[in-house]
Amino acid sequence: AQSVTQLDSQVPVFEEAPVELRCNYSSSVSVYLFWYVQYPNQGLQLLLKYLSGSTLVKGINGFEAEFNKSQTSFHLRKPSVHISDTAEYFCAVSVAGGTSYGKLTFGQGTILTVHP
Amino acid sequence: DTAVSQTPKYLVTQMGNDKSIKCEQNLGHDTMYWYKQDSKKFLKIMFSYNNKELIINETVPNRFSPKSPDKAHLNLHINSLELGDSAVYFCASKSGRGMSDTQYFGPGTRLTVL
Repeated sequence: AQSVTQLDSQVPVFEEAPVELRCNYSSSVSVYLFWYVQYPNQGLQLLLKYLSGSTLVKGINGFEAEFNKSQTSFHLRKPSVHISDTAEYFCAVSVAGGTSYGKLTFGQGTILTVHP
Repeated sequence: DTAVSQTPKYLVTQMGNDKSIKCEQNLGHDTMYWYKQDSKKFLKIMFSYNNKELIINETVPNRFSPKSPDKAHLNLHINSLELGDSAVYFCASKSGRGMSDTQYFGPGTRLTVL
């Protein structure tokens, strides 16, 4: 079975500061990795995903994430945040292969609050 | 032209009632999911259908029954509602059975059981 741990439940940061949201996963098989964002009272929207190849993945809204297989991590970063980035961020994995049918296992979420 | 839509957006009901939540996607996808997000924002998959066939059925009480009349729709019926069923229910869809395809989520249905 897979599991995902988001190490920070809340991350407050000032506008234009850099931010890193941490995600670690556990799996005995290869996985695909995803970051989703949930704005208040909305559904989830994909920010980026890692499937294979380059370990640095760029997504929408200036976010990027780096896959580190040895540390089983997939941390999300943004060099300069905006007020509009205030939201909850979810890290998720799906098994690469087998019969999981793309089932996503989510972390507990990290609330990013950007202060002016 | 919402991609994944859910109705209703809010649902308030009494314990013991039966209710349904509907989901429709216009993306031409053939795999759909139901997720439950509890009060602590933890998201957990409940069911998945591919071309009207049930392919994922997590450990969910029998009171929850999904129904897919066609591949664009996946409804969730809940019998004998309990307080613990209060949550936000998200529908999602994606193309095919591949593990890497992006799932597109609906706006959620907030169910409150009194």
